[in-house]
Amino acid sequence: GDSVTQMEGPVTLSEEAFLTINCTYTATGYPSLFWYVQYPGEGLQLLLKATKADDKGSNKGFEATYRKETTSFHLEKGSVQVSDSAVYFCALTINAGGTSYGKLTFGQGTILTVHP
Amino acid sequence: AAGVIQSPRHLIKEKRETATLKCYPIPRHDTVYWYQQGPGQDPQFLISFYEKMQSDKGSIPDRFSAQQFSDYHSELNMSSLELGDSALYFCASSHGEGIQYFGAGTRLSVL
Repeated sequence: GDSVTQMEGPVTLSEEAFLTINCTYTATGYPSLFWYVQYPGEGLQLLLKATKADDKGSNKGFEATYRKETTSFHLEKGSVQVSDSAVYFCALTINAGGTSYGKLTFGQGTILTVHP
Repeated sequence: AAGVIQSPRHLIKEKRETATLKCYPIPRHDTVYWYQQGPGQDPQFLISFYEKMQSDKGSIPDRFSAQQFSDYHSELNMSSLELGDSALYFCASSHGEGIQYFGAGTRLSVL
């Protein structure tokens, strides 16, 4: 079945540090890839997406590139801020065709804490 | 812009009771998804509806049922509640390009 694997364990960084959160996937079809962010006590917010190989999603200084050859979609940010502290989920959905996409399959989530 | 609305935000129930969670999708969205997120866990897909018909089913217990109504809102009905049902329940809606937009969730506590 389809699955997403994120780097294990929480990530703690100082403000302005470089961030990388690794994400790899296995999929039976041709997936679209997403990063969602969850702030404390809130729902999931779409951070960025990529729908085909070599696409780069970007938003709020975050970037991720869809690498089909390594089945990866690593999240990066050049300079994190305290306000970036949240849980980050990598996810995929299979392009089923038509106008209705399928369910999201999530990774385990990575807790990011940024200290001043 | 209008977002996905879920109600109630918090719900406390006793074991063996029933609960109904409601979801109001973004206007003109035709697809609704339900996910369950246990403490410290990733969201797990339960069920989805497209144009008021069930479109996919995940790891939803037989004690749970759901439907999508003519106005596209959806309800998740949970019976014979167990302690293990305590979780955050998310609804998401989508249309067209398929990006799913999530509500703030309903936190269910079963005592």
